[in-house]
Amino acid sequence: ILNVEQSPQSLHVQEGDSTNFTCSFPSSNFYALHWYRWETAKSPEALFVMTLNGDEKKKGRISATLNTKEGYSYLYIKGSQPEDSATYLCAPDMRFGAGTRLTVKP
Amino acid sequence: KAGVTQTPRYLIKTRGQQVTLSCSPISGHRSVSWYQQTPGQGLQFLFEYFSETQRNKGNFPGRFSGRQFSNSRSEMNVSTLELGDSALYLCASSLHRDSGEQYFGPGTRLTVT
Repeated sequence: ILNVEQSPQSLHVQEGDSTNFTCSFPSSNFYALHWYRWETAKSPEALFVMTLNGDEKKKGRISATLNTKEGYSYLYIKGSQPEDSATYLCAPDMRFGAGTRLTVKP
Repeated sequence: KAGVTQTPRYLIKTRGQQVTLSCSPISGHRSVSWYQQTPGQGLQFLFEYFSETQRNKGNFPGRFSGRQFSNSRSEMNVSTLELGDSALYLCASSLHRDSGEQYFGPGTRLTVT
């Protein structure tokens, strides 16, 4: 069973700040890592699916990188907006971390 | 294209009873996964079905079971309900296994009294 850790647990930033979160996992027998965005009272929304070491994905102001050899993935948000406020979850091989709760203050 | 639907949305059951939850995936999606979300444990993977076969299973007791039908609809069953089974149960569908982007349904909120 993978032990997935996400840091920080929560983050408060000002509108316009750029920020990043970390997802750490044991690096053996890895297949795919998913990033999700989960807003309160909504369903998780898929952001990225990453499978290859060195993968970099980008969607608008959000991007992610993956290092399977050392067992981590970073999620970056450039120029945070209040609508980015949500919990960001990573899930290597369907095992979810506890998430990073981001609050962006206007 | 219709999204993932789950029924019922809310359910109240008594300890010892059993419950069946239903999930209809996005048309064309053959993989359905189930998750349990509790405040203390976060999102935990229950199982994944692909083409009517269970392909992957999380660390849950045998009271939790599921199945998938030929039209990819899936059901999850929990027998002998315990208070700790109170949770939000989410299902997600994807076109492909493992590396496919998952689309989540709205969830079924189960309360066990």
